[in-house]
Amino acid sequence: NAGVTQTPKFQVLKTGQSMTLQCAQDMNHNSMYWYRQDPGMGLRLIYYSASEGTTDKGEVPNGYNVSRLNKREFSLRLESAAPSQTSVYFCASQGSNQPQHFGDGTRLSIL
Amino acid sequence: QKEVEQNSGPLSVPEGAIASLNCTYSDRGSQSFFWYRQYSGKSPELIMSIYSNGDKEDGRFTAQLNKASQYVSLLIRDSQPSDSATYLCAVTSQGGGNKLTFGTGTQLKVEL
Repeated sequence: NAGVTQTPKFQVLKTGQSMTLQCAQDMNHNSMYWYRQDPGMGLRLIYYSASEGTTDKGEVPNGYNVSRLNKREFSLRLESAAPSQTSVYFCASQGSNQPQHFGDGTRLSIL
Repeated sequence: QKEVEQNSGPLSVPEGAIASLNCTYSDRGSQSFFWYRQYSGKSPELIMSIYSNGDKEDGRFTAQLNKASQYVSLLIRDSQPSDSATYLCAVTSQGGGNKLTFGTGTQLKVEL
């Protein structure tokens, strides 16, 4: 019963590098989400996918891209990392008429 | 005006007391309301959901919803040191499907 699995758990990048954060869920949920959490800012939605094959922008999409690879997997890509993207990133999934369930998070530092 | 507002705290209560956490929201069309608990360095964990006006109780937790006044609250009875965490209020928005808008959270400290 893994739920929502995020990899990696920690990552340090240099400015300008690219990387992909992976997220997979085993609950057969249709909807998946990517958030970032910064001190004093709460959780802010970056992108979401209401169902396989669809993605939409959230509150803070600039500098990110996403791919809903299949029903289980939803990845977040930083093409050219910037120090402002230093944050904790959470992936969540949600079934119909159910609350969102979160992964353990990825702690990303960009130097 | 933020869509979901919470007092950031910290809210300090003695062990055994009732902790009262409040949240107001701006979208009158909001339908679903959630309380998540987040320990330092951990991910948010759902503790309560409420969808209709009134009270909903689950063990030591009671969620209260008043749509006319646009507030939702969480009461924690017999507070324990293990309840010390940040509590996030989350609300779905009208026309937003299942998307949640989160408050910035209230830090609760339960003191021995």
